[in-house]
Amino acid sequence: GAVVSQHPSRVICKSGTSVKIECRSLDFQATTMFWYRQFPKQSLMLMATSNEGSKATYEQGVEKDKFLINHASLTLSTLTVTSAHPEDSSFYICSAWTGTFNYGYTFGSGTRLTVV
Amino acid sequence: QKEVEQNSGPLSVPEGAIASLNCTYSDRGSQSFFWYRQYSGKSPELIMSIYSNGDKEDGRFTAQLNKASQYVSLLIRDSQPSDSATYLCAGYNNDMRFGAGTRLTVKP
Repeated sequence: GAVVSQHPSRVICKSGTSVKIECRSLDFQATTMFWYRQFPKQSLMLMATSNEGSKATYEQGVEKDKFLINHASLTLSTLTVTSAHPEDSSFYICSAWTGTFNYGYTFGSGTRLTVV
Repeated sequence: QKEVEQNSGPLSVPEGAIASLNCTYSDRGSQSFFWYRQYSGKSPELIMSIYSNGDKEDGRFTAQLNKASQYVSLLIRDSQPSDSATYLCAGYNNDMRFGAGTRLTVKP
């Protein structure tokens, strides 16, 4: 149980274009989802917290106009990287609190974004 | 001071040995702790959770929690090369705080 599905797994886009990443909770309702970015050999960096029906909360230093987050339903959160540039190339991972202390956060499979 | 601290490693153990991964935390309000394993290029996956003082065993894995010392550990018995990964420790108190991870290499 408590599965989060993330798509796409890999995407290559041209500089200046936008990319949308979807994160769906398949068998539970996720009122809150989290978006992380991870550069090679570095730790997870929390970008923003996505709350269903309200505006996302962004961590310091994360541009909210560049990383648009929409959490329109209890099972879907999307991250759109707008006007992507090569420095945005990274591994983006979503996660959700499962609601239990046994399972904690469950993670999507991640999206490898390459901007060329 | 980071809220959850881990030795970044790398930690290298021979196949069949016990790997010991350690974590300390600063938030005494943390209610539950988690160990995640992350293979290179993949997202983290949950190995174990623990919220009571003492040991919790699951197969080759044993998590240990000492709230008085604010210390969490993960022991991996009979380590296998497939255990080579980065292990993330996390504490939960209304939100999850992750350590930076310890890279483990199990050599055949």
